Formats: sequence, structure tokens, C-alpha cells
Amino acid sequence: AQSVTQLDSQVPVFEEAPVELRCNYSSSVSVYLFWYVQYPNQGLQLLLKYLSGSTLVESINGFEAEFNKSQTSFHLRKPSVHISDTAEYFCAVSVAGGSYIPTFGRGTSLIVHP
Amino acid sequence: NAGVMQNPRHLVRRRGQEARLRCSPMKGHSHVYWYRQLPEEGLKFMVYLQKENIIDESGMPKERFSAEFPKEGPSILRIQQVVRGDSAAYFCASSPGPSESSYEQYFGPGTRLTVT
Repeated sequence: AQSVTQLDSQVPVFEEAPVELRCNYSSSVSVYLFWYVQYPNQGLQLLLKYLSGSTLVESINGFEAEFNKSQTSFHLRKPSVHISDTAEYFCAVSVAGGSYIPTFGRGTSLIVHP
Repeated sequence: NAGVMQNPRHLVRRRGQEARLRCSPMKGHSHVYWYRQLPEEGLKFMVYLQKENIIDESGMPKERFSAEFPKEGPSILRIQQVVRGDSAAYFCASSPGPSESSYEQYFGPGTRLTVT
């Protein structure tokens, strides 16, 4: 079975600073990887995904994540954060060609200070 | 609004009562998933359904919890004889039929259940 570890439960940063949210996974087979964002009192929204192809994937609001197979990681980065990026971020993994049910990490709370 | 709909958004029940949570998937989606979220614990999978079928209920507690997705109408998560420990946010997600795109899930806004 696959598992996901988000190493940081909370990441405080100042506005316009860069940020990296870490995600490591464990699986013996090929995986699909996802980042979801949850704003306060809302459901999760898909931020970006890796299914195949380029290992660097980008979102429309400036986030990017890189699939690193040798390090089994899928860290999320943004070069300059905004106050509006304050949210909970969840990394998720699914077995490629397997069950549609993803395994979620416990989440990282990104707190952007002015 | 063609997104995933959940109602009610907030539900208060006394211990021993029943809670019914409803979820209407996105238009064209035939797969529904239910999750429970507790503070500091992330998202826990409960059950995966297709129309009139439970595909995977490995995350459902053995007692008091049930789910259905009838041919017509929304999916229902039912909790009988609620206890304080059932207080949580319950999220529904949907995805299209069998294809690679079904690995992406679209979430509703959640139902926040409070048991008093």
C-alpha cells in the first residue's frame, strides 16, 4: 500500500518570500501525484497533478511541483507568496492504473504574514 | 453551479439522533467518494460508490454508518445514533467514469456535523 508524508504541519512565511511544502511518498509501483488546496471552511480544490510526461508541473497561480522518482518526493514550491495563499495544502498519491481512491497526507498549513 | 453540492452545510444533532448528509456529484460524474476530516488528522477515506453500487467501503466504521448512491437523486451518508466522536467535517467528492481523469477528484464544500 502507498503512503504519503508531509513533513511540516505548519509553515509560516512572510508575504513575497519563497516557500516549499514538502511531500514524500512510499510506493512499490508507479504513482500519480496531486496537490490539493483547502481554503478556510471550503472543500479541497485540485492545485496541480503529475500523471506522466514532464516531471515539473505548474498551476495557474504560480505554484509548481517536481516529481523526483529517486527521492520519492513531490515538493510544492512558489517563488513569492501572497496573503491569499494562506490555506491548508494536501499532497495525495494514487497507484497508476489502480484504485481511484487516493491516499492523502495529513496536510500542511501555510500561513502567510504581511 | 455545476460543482459538487453538499447539504446541509452545517448540521447539529443530539447524541442518539440520526444524521443524513447529502451529496450531488458534478454533472456527468458517476463516481462518488465520502471522506471525514478531523482537526489535525487530515482527510480519511470512508466509502466509494457508483450508481447503485458500493465499490469500496473499507474506511467506513462497521456500525452506525451507511452510504448509498441511488439511480436517481443524491448520494446519502447516514449516521445512526450519533455520538460526540462523530463531530467532524464530512466531504463528498466526485469523478467521471473509468478513465485516467477519474484520478482527479472534485470536492464539495463539506457538511460540518456537530453532536451535542
